[in-house]
Amino acid sequence: TQLLEQSPQFLSIQEGENLTVYCNSSSVFSSLQWYRQEPGEGPVLLVTVVTGGEVKKLKRLTFQFGDARKDSSLHITAAQPGDTGLYLCAGPTSSASKIIFGSGTRLSIRP
Amino acid sequence: NAGVMQNPRHLVRRRGQEARLRCSPMKGHSHVYWYRQLPEEGLKFMVYLQKENIIDESGMPKERFSAEFPKEGPSILRIQQVVRGDSAAYFCASSPDRVNEQYFGPGTRLTVT
Repeated sequence: TQLLEQSPQFLSIQEGENLTVYCNSSSVFSSLQWYRQEPGEGPVLLVTVVTGGEVKKLKRLTFQFGDARKDSSLHITAAQPGDTGLYLCAGPTSSASKIIFGSGTRLSIRP
Repeated sequence: NAGVMQNPRHLVRRRGQEARLRCSPMKGHSHVYWYRQLPEEGLKFMVYLQKENIIDESGMPKERFSAEFPKEGPSILRIQQVVRGDSAAYFCASSPDRVNEQYFGPGTRLTVT
């Protein structure tokens, strides 16, 4: 069974600080996606990484896909209160029959 | 281009009643996924449908739950004889291709009293 494990589960930091959250698996994924979910809303797709070693930037967010395509990280520079939310990583199963999600990292930014 | 639409946004049912949750995918999307989310938890896959076909229902409870995505109209997640443990947020997502990037609706929050 393919699993995605995210760490940390909770993270509370001060505005302006940097942070990194992780998404790990023992399985290889053809791609991984990152979503952000705010309270009372559905997840919103942030990025998809496809190639091992790939780095994608979205303003202050930097996403990296591990060389072996088993892990990914999300780095946020100079965090702002608007970054608060649940960050989820997800990827298609090897059978390509569905997308599985990690349990998420709940991020809180204190002003 | 309208996003994924779900209705109702909130649904209250008494134990034993039926709940019907509707999902209209984004225009041009023929793949629909249903997920369940409990408070403070991640998304749990339930079922993946393509027009008129169930592709993967490995996350669906064997009893009381069913899903369909007819040729015309929205996808329906149906829960019969609801119990308190069914209370959760149910999200629908759609994609243009198989297990591609998914676009989520706002969810239906089901409360069973």
